[in-house]
Amino acid sequence: GEEVAQTPKHLVRGEGQKAKLYCAPIKGHSYVFWYQQVLKNEFKFLISFQNENVFDETGMPKERFSAKCLPNSPCSLEIQATKLEDSAVYFCASSQSGTGNYGYTFGSGTRLTVV
Amino acid sequence: GNSVTQMEGPVTLSEEAFLTINCTYTATGYPSLFWYVQYPGEGLQLLLKATKADDKGSNKGFEATYRKETTSFHLEKGSVQVSDSAVYFCALRTTGGGSNYKLTFGKGTLLTVNP
Repeated sequence: GEEVAQTPKHLVRGEGQKAKLYCAPIKGHSYVFWYQQVLKNEFKFLISFQNENVFDETGMPKERFSAKCLPNSPCSLEIQATKLEDSAVYFCASSQSGTGNYGYTFGSGTRLTVV
Repeated sequence: GNSVTQMEGPVTLSEEAFLTINCTYTATGYPSLFWYVQYPGEGLQLLLKATKADDKGSNKGFEATYRKETTSFHLEKGSVQVSDSAVYFCALRTTGGGSNYKLTFGKGTLLTVNP
């Protein structure tokens, strides 16, 4: 389809619990990006994939965050042992190419609330 | 590194007023420039883009011109509507210098248009 599908839309977890978020990119798009939108609208880059390979993971807090993009499956972002500060909206985006001529298509996000 | 600075707002206008949201950038390499819009509770939608100097992006009455000499990409609309109320993000993407194709966002500008 022509949309990036993110599930679930909302997720509530107790502090210390695991959270797993999913993203189905647009078919044919080679690049997938994960962003975290925190209070006051700021977007923080987390990780990107080129097909199933990690392309750039410089934004990932590696001790608790992990992500995968496996063939024929939605991409996933997993947070082990969530903390209050992980409360945010997590957006996935896909792009046809790595060149700057293409914008991203964003999903509608997963709102994670850690209580 | 790359960075985007945009007027933080909030911006409040009456319907049919003229809109300008300023955006300036610093970048290594030759960036492509984007404006994204986020309506309440939704993901990001690409509003317009420009991929080289002097290009003008336009969509839905919004325009922005890529000005390399002033490193700017200001968003304008001649006559805003209530339905334009949203948060607007300026962003850039470079394809070299270790940027790894990720978008760098400004902090967003909240626009409220009153009837």
